[in-house]
Amino acid sequence: GAVVSQHPSWVICKSGTSVKIECRSLDFQATTMFWYRQFPKQSLMLMATSNEGSKATYEQGVEKDKFLINHASLTLSTLTVTSAHPEDSSFYICSALSSGVGETQYFGPGTRLLVL
Amino acid sequence: DAKTTQPPSMDCAEGRAANLPCNHSTISGNEYVYWYRQIHSQGPQYIIHGLKNNETNEMASLIITEDRKSSTLILPHATLRDTAVYYCIVREYSGYSTLTFGKGTMLLVSP
Repeated sequence: GAVVSQHPSWVICKSGTSVKIECRSLDFQATTMFWYRQFPKQSLMLMATSNEGSKATYEQGVEKDKFLINHASLTLSTLTVTSAHPEDSSFYICSALSSGVGETQYFGPGTRLLVL
Repeated sequence: DAKTTQPPSMDCAEGRAANLPCNHSTISGNEYVYWYRQIHSQGPQYIIHGLKNNETNEMASLIITEDRKSSTLILPHATLRDTAVYYCIVREYSGYSTLTFGKGTMLLVSP
C-alpha cells in the first residue's frame, strides 16, 4: 500500500514551453500533497504544499506564477512549469500525506525535466 | 537549519548489519523521528518512524535513546540494494508540518 505515481517519468522540452507533471496517490486519499525539487548532488527542497480544494502554499523564493499547482481531487495533484527555461531543469518529486499515526509522507518516483 | 546531524558517508559489508546514527539534540516533545532513503535517481522511500519507543518493521529497526536526543537506524542484513542516501528527519505530528531534508548519510554496501 501507500503508492504514489508520477507522470511523466522524464520529459525534454524546448525553452519557453510549459510542462505538466501529474502526481497520483494510487491506494489512499491525500488531502495534502507536496512538491519538491532536487538539483544534482543536492538534497530535496520543498517547493510548495498543495491542499485539495484550496490554493497551494509556496516556499520562499518559489514563483507561484511559474510553478502552477492544482490539487483538484484527493488523489491527484499537478505541477505545471510555465515558460520553462534551462535553469528549471531538475528532478521534480511529489509526495502525498497519508493520515494515521505520525502521518507519513509517501513519495513518487520523480520526474526528470530537461529544458533545452 | 537542519535539526539533525548525520555522518556524510558510511560503508558496510554485504550481509552485515548497518547501523546509521543520527543526532537530534533539539528535538521537541511532539516531534517524531522519520527515516527515509533515496536510491540514485529515484524518489525517497519511507523506512520507519518513531516517537520514543523502539520500532521495527520489515525493513529496519529504529532505536531511540531515552532522552530522544539521538537515534540509530539498523538494517539487520545489508544487501547491495541498500546502497542509498539515508535521511533522518524530525517532524511534528501534524498534516501541516513538512519534511526538511538535510544531506543525509550515503551508505555504500560492498560485496
